[in-house]
Parts: sequence; C-alpha cells; structure tokens
Amino acid sequence: DGGITQSPKYLFRKEGQNVTLSCEQNLNHDAMYWYRQDPGQGLRLIYYSQIVNDFQKGDIAEGYSVSREKKESFPLTVTSAQKNPTAFYLCASRLAASNEQFFGPGTRLTVL
Amino acid sequence: AQSVTQLGSHVSVSEGALVLLRCNYSSSVPPYLFWYVQYPNQGLQLLLKYTTGATLVKGINGFEAEFKKSETSFHLTKPSAHMSDAAEYFCAVSMTGGTASKLTFGTGTRLQVTL
Repeated sequence: DGGITQSPKYLFRKEGQNVTLSCEQNLNHDAMYWYRQDPGQGLRLIYYSQIVNDFQKGDIAEGYSVSREKKESFPLTVTSAQKNPTAFYLCASRLAASNEQFFGPGTRLTVL
Repeated sequence: AQSVTQLGSHVSVSEGALVLLRCNYSSSVPPYLFWYVQYPNQGLQLLLKYTTGATLVKGINGFEAEFKKSETSFHLTKPSAHMSDAAEYFCAVSMTGGTASKLTFGTGTRLQVTL
C-alpha cells in the first residue's frame, strides 16, 4: 500500500537532547512538509522541500533542522535549541502537479 | 500573505442535525481552499477542496462546502450529523500561482455529536 509513514508514534526525550523524527513516503511525491501541531493553534509549517537536496524554512524553523537526501525521506531533527519541543509533529507530501497534501499519522514528542 | 479564521473552537450538534463549521480566509490572490478532518492522535485526511470552477464542492462522508468570494468564506456543511463525524476539522488556504503549495491552517473546530 502506498502512503506516508512516521516513526515512532510516541517519542520521549530528556531536555537538552537532540531527537530525529522519521518520515518516509512511497507515493513518489516530489514535495514534503513538516508541521507542528499544538492544542488550539492548528498546524504550523516548520520546513518544506520541493526537490531532493533542497529545502526551505517555514514559519517556525528555529530550533529544527531537516535533510532531503532521498526523494522518499525527509527526517526532522528537533535540536536542544527548540525552546518548547513537546508537540504533535505531522509530515506531509505532495505530487508536483497537484495542490493536495497527504499527511502521515504523526509523531507525538514529549520532552521531559 | 494569507490567513484563515475558524469561528468556534468547539461545536456541538445532535445526531441527525445540520452541521455548519465556519471558515473565513484572507488572501492577496485567488485562493485554493481545503477542509481536513483529524481523528484523535491521527494525521489529517482531506474532506474536500476548492481550486477553480464550481463554487459548491462535494466531499467525502456527505460533507460539502461553498466558496463565496464576496464573503471570503468557505463554510463546511453536512445535512445530518452522525456519531462518527465527531472529530477536529481544519480549514486551510494556499495561494494559486505558487510552486510550493504551502498551506496555512485555521486553529481548528472540534465537532461533538450527541445522541
């Protein structure tokens, strides 16, 4: 089945540690996105990538980093510089010729 | 710049009653508009979208929305609520003509369906 996978579903880390969230898609989509979701705030764009080896900052990129070495993978690293990392993180992808984004199941990160 | 306002963070309806979730947008260019649904601890699923053409858009699960340019609105409706419709609903906008198709989301409306 084609789709987007995010792992793990739940992730716990100690304050001050970097953590990497996985996002993989087998839809052959060109663009990929990372969003952060907090209660009552909707989704906010962290980073996006339209092609391999290229990515741009979204609205809340501070404290995060990404890479896009393969078309199907777009991992997100939450660094210790992110002041409030506890949130639900959603990955999405889109075919270049379409305006519709498809979402993965999300990773809930809790920093203790 | 673009923005989305969803009026009412919580809406409660009885099973069988009309569902109306409000969405107003602001965009400097003609927008693309979307409604997504999210069940607890899951990702988002597209309900429907407006790009061009007919302003009344039909989506999955019996939902529909009407693009009203004069009112800058894209309200979501369903004639008869079902218990399975209980979820959080997000309205989103992206700009036409751009290549990135970045979505700007509203803050969401949680729909409760009661017996």
